[in-house]
Amino acid sequence: QVQLQESGPGLVKPSQTLSLTCTVSGGSIRSGGYYWSWIRQHPGKGLEWIGYTYYSGSTYYNPSLKSRVMISLDASKKQFSLRLSSVTAADTAVYYCARNLRHNGWFDPWGQGILVIVSS
Amino acid sequence: EIVMTQSPATLSVSQGERATLSCRASQSINSNLAWYQQKPGQAPRLLIYAASTRATGIPARFSGSGSGTEFTLTISSLQSEDFAVYYCQQYHNWPPLTFGGGTKVEIK
Repeated sequence: QVQLQESGPGLVKPSQTLSLTCTVSGGSIRSGGYYWSWIRQHPGKGLEWIGYTYYSGSTYYNPSLKSRVMISLDASKKQFSLRLSSVTAADTAVYYCARNLRHNGWFDPWGQGILVIVSS
Repeated sequence: EIVMTQSPATLSVSQGERATLSCRASQSINSNLAWYQQKPGQAPRLLIYAASTRATGIPARFSGSGSGTEFTLTISSLQSEDFAVYYCQQYHNWPPLTFGGGTKVEIK
């Protein structure tokens, strides 16, 4: 079964770029049937979808973050990545990667999540 | 963007009792709704999709209903492992995909 695992720095300085990677195991990232998403959760708060990428390289971002977000995919490494620029304390959150079907938008499975703190 | 609203924010229920959680969409989403369970320190877990279809391995005590703008997640007899936060999510008009604010089910 497909498993996802986030990795990256747990601490980022304000104004810098947050960079995370999600590694996919147990299945193909090249499958045309899936989008590969990033979702975040501010401490003690709800869930916010950040955006997704597709194996072809196409992407879509939440309009609320679009100006600062880039999601990319490296099929050879079975990874997809998130870059969030010009971070502030408001970007402190647990970041999850997840898979969703192209034609149905529910998320399954999810990675375990990684806490990223923005602080100097 | 479709706004999802969950109620109540917190639900206090005794073990063995029935829990009923609500989710409302700001416009009709047909049956394009999923429910997730999240325990402290864990990622959300898919419970229900298409408003009423249980995901693989989800116990039968979890059931979903509704269509249009009003949806319900029912846990027929709460077990100790069911105390958690529950989120609904719409996938009718996307992107963006949007979640409700969550309902915390706590022990009464």
